[in-house]
Amino acid sequence: KQEVTQIPAALSVPEGENLVLNCSFTDSAIYNLQWFRQDPGKGLTSLLLIQSSQREQTSGRLNASLDKSSGRSTLYIAASQPGDSATYLCAVRRGETSGSRLTFGEGTQLTVNP
Amino acid sequence: NAGVMQNPRHLVRRRGQEARLRCSPMKGHSHVYWYRQLPEEGLKFMVYLQKENIIDESGMPKERFSAEFPKEGPSILRIQQVVRGDSAAYFCASSPLSRDSPLHFGNGTRLTVT
Repeated sequence: KQEVTQIPAALSVPEGENLVLNCSFTDSAIYNLQWFRQDPGKGLTSLLLIQSSQREQTSGRLNASLDKSSGRSTLYIAASQPGDSATYLCAVRRGETSGSRLTFGEGTQLTVNP
Repeated sequence: NAGVMQNPRHLVRRRGQEARLRCSPMKGHSHVYWYRQLPEEGLKFMVYLQKENIIDESGMPKERFSAEFPKEGPSILRIQQVVRGDSAAYFCASSPLSRDSPLHFGNGTRLTVT
């Protein structure tokens, strides 16, 4: 059974700092991995999707890496801003041909202080 | 292109009543997923449907819960005889046929059982 763990559970940083969020998964047979952000009382916004054959993806100030063999992904946020405050979730998609669910971690709650 | 639409946003039901949650996927998306987020917990997979077919319902309780995605109209998650423990945010996500595409989530329905 796939288990996804995110560390730290919560993080508070001053504005402008670069930061790294960590995600680990127990079963390396994944198809892809997706990072989301969730604002309080809202749905999930997709940030980055990394296929299992890829090592990293970049979008603006965000960079996500994937090391499938060790079961790890990181989300790097450069020059953090107060608007980045949210809960960040990583989710892995199984590699089987049927059943295409995502398994989520519990998230990292990020607060960027002005 | 409208995103994933869920309604209602908030739903209050008394114990024993029925709750019906609706999800209209993004245009062109034929796959629908339902997830539940309990207070202070992560998102848990419930069910995965394609048009007129349930593909994976392994995350859905066997009793009182059912889901459908008819040929025409939205996907429906139905909870019969609700109990207080059903209080949660229920999120719907959709994706096109390809597993290479990211999941897109709606803003959720927040169910409160009094």
